[in-house]
Amino acid sequence: EIVMTQSPATLSVSPGERATLSCRASQSVSSNLAWYQQKPGQAPRLLIYGASTRATGIPARFSGSGSGTEFTLTISSLQSEDFAVYYCQQYNNWPLFGQGTKLEIK
Amino acid sequence: EVQLVESGGGLVQPGGSLRLSCAASGFTFSSYAMHWVRQAPGKGLEYVSAISSNGGSTYYANSVKGRFTISRDNSKNTLYLQMGSLRAEDMAVYYCARAGRTMATPYYFDYWGQGTLVTVSS
Repeated sequence: EIVMTQSPATLSVSPGERATLSCRASQSVSSNLAWYQQKPGQAPRLLIYGASTRATGIPARFSGSGSGTEFTLTISSLQSEDFAVYYCQQYNNWPLFGQGTKLEIK
Repeated sequence: EVQLVESGGGLVQPGGSLRLSCAASGFTFSSYAMHWVRQAPGKGLEYVSAISSNGGSTYYANSVKGRFTISRDNSKNTLYLQMGSLRAEDMAVYYCARAGRTMATPYYFDYWGQGTLVTVSS
């Protein structure tokens, strides 16, 4: 079974700064990796699929990179609405989510 | 506009049953595989089940296999999850989600419902 590990568990960043979130797979998932944003009381929202393709309507400040086992979600200049929990999900095999990274205001 | 609206959640005793529904609109429901994902209170996302666009193929996570049944009625644009032998660890918000393909195979989810809460308690 593939294990998805996200780091850090919590990331404290100031508005306007860059945030870098990591996701590691225990075995290669090729580019079959998606990122979601979830705010309290809301459903997850798809940000990135195919490791680096932004979903419809997602601002350009969100970018994804990586392949194989190492992936990164970068938010170039944090806006107030970006503070949330972020999950990675591999779909190379049956979907499995990482445990999430909470992005909080510093 | 794509909309997914879950219903049917509520309080159920351990060992009980419940049926969740997900009403879809804004897209051709019969052309998409559909999935259920759950989230226990304060926890992360856990994949539950999938069904192909025509209902002919299904998949279940090991944690629910043999207890849950996924189905769909394409004439009513509705997805279902019949849950039985419920346990405390099944307590969660249950989301239905659309995947951009017809087959019940691994994929990402481009639209999600708002979720329905299932509480398992005596």
